[in-house]
Amino acid sequence: NAGVTQTPKFQVLKTGQSMTLQCAQDMNHNSMYWYRQDPGMGLRLIYYSASEGTTDKGEVPNGYNVSRLNKREFSLRLESAAPSQTSVYFCASTGGASGSNWNEQFFGPGTRLTVL
Amino acid sequence: DAKTTQPPSMDCAEGRAANLPCNHSTISGNEYVYWYRQIHSQGPQYIIHGLKNNETNEMASLIITEDRKSSTLILPHATLRDTAVYYCIVRARAGGTSYGKLTFGQGTILTVHP
Repeated sequence: NAGVTQTPKFQVLKTGQSMTLQCAQDMNHNSMYWYRQDPGMGLRLIYYSASEGTTDKGEVPNGYNVSRLNKREFSLRLESAAPSQTSVYFCASTGGASGSNWNEQFFGPGTRLTVL
Repeated sequence: DAKTTQPPSMDCAEGRAANLPCNHSTISGNEYVYWYRQIHSQGPQYIIHGLKNNETNEMASLIITEDRKSSTLILPHATLRDTAVYYCIVRARAGGTSYGKLTFGQGTILTVHP
């Protein structure tokens, strides 16, 4: 099992450019999450998807959109990147096939994004 | 979810026990205590969780006080690879309307010295 995978690993954008961060999990988890982590800070929740077909805002959703493409994949889109969105982005998943096992959240390796 | 307070940093000698404290004085009856760690900018890793009883797994032990207002994560024999940021998180019962959402504070930077 690969667990949670994220692409790309690194990205540099210019202000105003758009991009999509991809996330996939192979653990048949119901819920998926996008977090951002700024230097010296803890992670903050951007958006989450409790189950396939649903998405909800987290703590810091402004400037982002998400798509739960299927049960495996959850993408994060920046429509018009700003320097304030320079951060490390982590995707995570949890929740077993029957909705059990919510206790452990599995994280991807992160995408390091710089907006100039 | 209840807020948590952790010391910003701690040191530990390799081979000794590392005891990481966490205060969560506003914890409510249905909230669990979770611990995650983050090694050098990798994604966070789940360690352990508990409600009111002490818990132990292959990674660590979790001691929760009787009044549940504080807890301690114990790494019994710290190694250099345990150097990381440790996050204490309090969250409502897993699988409920919180849908597994985690609220991270700034955590404790644990440095294990040779």
